[in-house]
Amino acid sequence: EAGVTQFPSHSVIEKGQTVTLRCDPISGHDNLYWYRRVMGKEIKFLLHFVKESKQDESGMPNNRFLAERTGGTYSTLKVQPAELEDSGVYFCASSQDPMSSYNSPLHFGNGTRLTVT
Amino acid sequence: AQSVTQLGSHVSVSEGALVLLRCNYSSSVPPYLFWYVQYPNQGLQLLLKYTSAATLVKGINGFEAEFKKSETSFHLTKPSAHMSDAAEYFCAVTTTGGFKTIFGAGTRLFVKA
Repeated sequence: EAGVTQFPSHSVIEKGQTVTLRCDPISGHDNLYWYRRVMGKEIKFLLHFVKESKQDESGMPNNRFLAERTGGTYSTLKVQPAELEDSGVYFCASSQDPMSSYNSPLHFGNGTRLTVT
Repeated sequence: AQSVTQLGSHVSVSEGALVLLRCNYSSSVPPYLFWYVQYPNQGLQLLLKYTSAATLVKGINGFEAEFKKSETSFHLTKPSAHMSDAAEYFCAVTTTGGFKTIFGAGTRLFVKA
């Protein structure tokens, strides 16, 4: 099966610009997660979709971040306007089990490295 | 709230030596614990998981981890390091309800020839 794919792999933008990250989960995986890792620090949870619904968006830093998952397939994460502190690696992950992540481990994409200058 | 602490951001071992990566967790309920590995330019991959069955869990590539409730630890070990084990390793715990996974800051393993 195809894995989780993320696009782009790298993005360099200027402060104040907009960037949209895309994630295609493994086909059939209802759970989709966004995580972010700022350089050298822990991987932090951003939000969780179950199909097209936001199950938990408690990790979203502020209202400059908008995540969507129209139709319950791929997801996008838009940052508008980007700030310097938004730089980091954004990971997308998906899992199959609709009820919990401990029975169905996360499958990660390779991440998008975002640099805001 | 659950949390994970990984002791040591960098660990260096010689090829053939024991690998020990430390992880302590905090959880008010029985936790589900994981180790993930990230190789350069790749996403994270599951190494092993503990879900309240056997306390000694065996994973891929010869790694294993032991759940010790009294010490709130879930340390990762491998008897003999190989050059291909050089990567970053993340300990993780699920939250109550199991919908969210919390990660540690990661430990980068270096293997010297």
